[in-house]
Amino acid sequence: EAGVTQFPSHSVIEKGQTVTLRCDPISGHDNLYWYRRVMGKEIKFLLHFVKESKQDESGMPNNRFLAERTGGTYSTLKVQPAELEDSGVYFCASSQGYRQGREETQYFGPGTRLLVL
Amino acid sequence: QKEVEQNSGPLSVPEGAIASLNCTYSDRGSQSFFWYRQYSGKSPELIMFIYSNGDKEDGRFTAQLNKASQYVSLLIRDSQPSDSATYLCAARGYNKLIFGAGTRLAVHP
Repeated sequence: EAGVTQFPSHSVIEKGQTVTLRCDPISGHDNLYWYRRVMGKEIKFLLHFVKESKQDESGMPNNRFLAERTGGTYSTLKVQPAELEDSGVYFCASSQGYRQGREETQYFGPGTRLLVL
Repeated sequence: QKEVEQNSGPLSVPEGAIASLNCTYSDRGSQSFFWYRQYSGKSPELIMFIYSNGDKEDGRFTAQLNKASQYVSLLIRDSQPSDSATYLCAARGYNKLIFGAGTRLAVHP
């Protein structure tokens, strides 16, 4: 079974440019999460999709960030325009969600390393 | 106060010893706790989760939870150099995971 995949693995852009990150969850996983780790800090939650619906977007920093999950499969996270403080590692995770008697397990992708100059 | 706190380390242990990693959390409503291992430049990999008070064992790993003290720990027995990584403690907040900053573990031969 393929794991969570993310593209690109690295991105270097200039301040003011636009970047789009992509996440392909594990097949069959309805839940998709975006997290971010900025330098020296802990991994922080950005948002949560259940299928194509945004369940929780309380972690999105501001309206320069737009996440979509059309069709409930892959997701994109667009940053427009990018600022210096957006630099960090963006992780995607997916899960089947709760099942009776089973704890939800989130599986993480390798991350996209974004550097804004 | 951070929601999930960990000592950043590095925690250095000799090969074959027991490594003890600790984590505290502030939200008494948190029900489930997770330990992830992350090698440099790689994705976080789930080691185990725990939601009941007490110990939970899986191979060389034992997770311990004390809800009264709001304390979670991970013990690694017979530590190996391949265990050298950053260990992330996370609490479930509704669906999202709330992570600590991680503890770097170095196992030296």
